[in-house]
Amino acid sequence: EPEVTQTPSHQVTQMGQEVILRCVPISNHLYFYWYRQILGQKVEFLVSFYNNEISEKSEIFDDQFSVERPDGSNFTLKIRSTKLEDSAMYFCASMGDNEQFFGPGTRLTVL
Amino acid sequence: EDQVTQSPEALRLQEGESSSLNCSYTVSGLRGLFWYRQDPGKGPEFLFTLYSAGEEKEKERLKATLTKKESFLHITAPKPEDSATYLCAVRGASGGSNYKLTFGKGTLLTVNP
Repeated sequence: EPEVTQTPSHQVTQMGQEVILRCVPISNHLYFYWYRQILGQKVEFLVSFYNNEISEKSEIFDDQFSVERPDGSNFTLKIRSTKLEDSAMYFCASMGDNEQFFGPGTRLTVL
Repeated sequence: EDQVTQSPEALRLQEGESSSLNCSYTVSGLRGLFWYRQDPGKGPEFLFTLYSAGEEKEKERLKATLTKKESFLHITAPKPEDSATYLCAVRGASGGSNYKLTFGKGTLLTVNP
């Protein structure tokens, strides 16, 4: 069964460093998303991506964040200068018709 | 702004003891209510989509129902492997064609053998 994959599963970084989180969505899906979940809190929408451009972004998704689909399979989230409060689980999701399918997540720890 | 409230926050059941989880929502033009299961340290796993009041979906021991203000996830004769956090999410018309989801905090279900 097709699934969304994410790498790495865990990323530890120093405050101020850049990180890139990678996702491979389900191959025939056209809509892509990033969500995050701070420990003990809700899953929160960050950004949606369709037709090679951002279609919506939340207030969380400020200038430190960017997304890219560099080729036909990968979808990346870059955080330019990480802050302590960026520590969270980051989930990639993709959607074909109506349902969003989530990847296993990347746990980002900012020290 | 779309809002989702789930109750209870945590529920402990004995194996075989049926119960229901609640998801109350406020949304401008419902375009779908979604139930997901989330195991510790994992991503949400899709369970059901409901679109209109009166609709019901079933999968093994789980049944999801929808009214105009809330959804219930009924668990019949649960087993320990049903232990997980169950998340409810809505997609509203305000999201336009972006189809973003707004999640509740979830209900942590523990089923004891």
